[in-house]
Parts: sequence; structure tokens; C-alpha cells
Amino acid sequence: AQSVTQLGSHVSVSEGALVLLRCNYSSSVPPYLFWYVQYPNQGLQLLLKYTSAATLVKGINGFEAEFKKSETSFHLTKPSAHMSDAAEYFCAVSGRLNKLTFGTGTQLKVEL
Amino acid sequence: NAGVTQTPKFQVLKTGQSMTLQCAQDMNHNSMYWYRQDPGMGLRLIYYSASEGTTDKGEVPNGYNVSRLNKREFSLRLESAAPSQTSVYFCASSLKGGQGTQEAFFGQGTRLTVV
Repeated sequence: AQSVTQLGSHVSVSEGALVLLRCNYSSSVPPYLFWYVQYPNQGLQLLLKYTSAATLVKGINGFEAEFKKSETSFHLTKPSAHMSDAAEYFCAVSGRLNKLTFGTGTQLKVEL
Repeated sequence: NAGVTQTPKFQVLKTGQSMTLQCAQDMNHNSMYWYRQDPGMGLRLIYYSASEGTTDKGEVPNGYNVSRLNKREFSLRLESAAPSQTSVYFCASSLKGGQGTQEAFFGQGTRLTVV
């Protein structure tokens, strides 16, 4: 069975600081990994996805993630946080029929 | 371009009442999904439909039924609502195939409270 673990249910950073949201996966087959963002009272929007093409994946809004097989990780980063980045972020692994297994989410707070 | 549309956006039910959550997509996607979101638990798959005419159980199907009415529409029914079904429900759709590489597109959610 596939699973995803997100370390830290809440992360707080200052505006302009590095954003690092952690995601570790467990999968018996090569994983396809996704990061989604959810703004308050909204649905989920795709930030980026890893589908085995390149290990460093660039997404929207300046976010990127690096797939590290040796560490079973897919951490999300952004060099400089902006107030508009405040949201909840979900890491997910995709399986057969594109069914998603989600982590428990990380709420990102950006402070002035 | 509407994408995935869910109705209603909010609903309050009494224990034992029934209701149907509606979902429609206009992206010509084959696959559709229902997830529920609970605090601290992320999103969990309730039911999915890989293609028109097929449905199957996900991780948490108890207390729910679904209907894939046509390619565009996928409804979720609560026959006898329970307080444990208080949640935010999301419908999603994706292209078929790709062995898990296809992006899912989500609706805006339905906030359901069962009292």
C-alpha cells in the first residue's frame, strides 16, 4: 500500500524567508507524487507533480520539489515566501486509476 | 470554463435524513472521484468511477452510495446521515490512463454538517 507522511501540521515563516514543507512517501512501486495547495474555502489546486521525468520539478508560483529516492522524500520549497502563499499544502501519491492518497496536510502561515 | 462544479456548497442535515451531493465536470474526463476532508486527516477517497458505467469503493465507503449518471455527472448519496459524516466533500475528475500520472481537478467542495 502507498502512503504519504507530512511532517509538521503547521509551519510559520517570515515574508521573504525560505519555505520548506516536508513530505515522505512509502510505495512498493515507483511513485507518482503531487503537491496540491488549498486556499481558505477553496478546492485543491495542483502545484506540481513528479512522474519520473526529472527529479527536480518546478511548479506554479515559484514552488519546486525534489524527488529523492534514497530518502523517500519529495519536499516542497520556495526561496522567498509571500503573504499570498498562506494556505494548506497537501502531498499525495497516485496509484492505479489515478486514485490519490493524501498526507494530512501542512498549514503554512506567512508573517510580516 | 467551469471545470468541476459541486452543488450545494453548504448543507445542514438532521441525523437520519438523506441527501445527494451533485458533481459535474465539463473537461471530458473519464474518471471521477469523491473525497472527504476532515481536520488532521487530509483527504480520503470515498468512491470513484474509472469510466462511465463503472463505480468502485475507495478507502471510506460505508454510509455512502454513488451514481455515475453519464460521463459528466457523478453523484454521492447519504441514505441516512450520521454526525460522523460531518465533513467537507470534494469531487474531482481526471483523464483516464497514465498509470497514476494524471492530474486531478477538484471542485470547490460541499460543507456538510449533520446534527
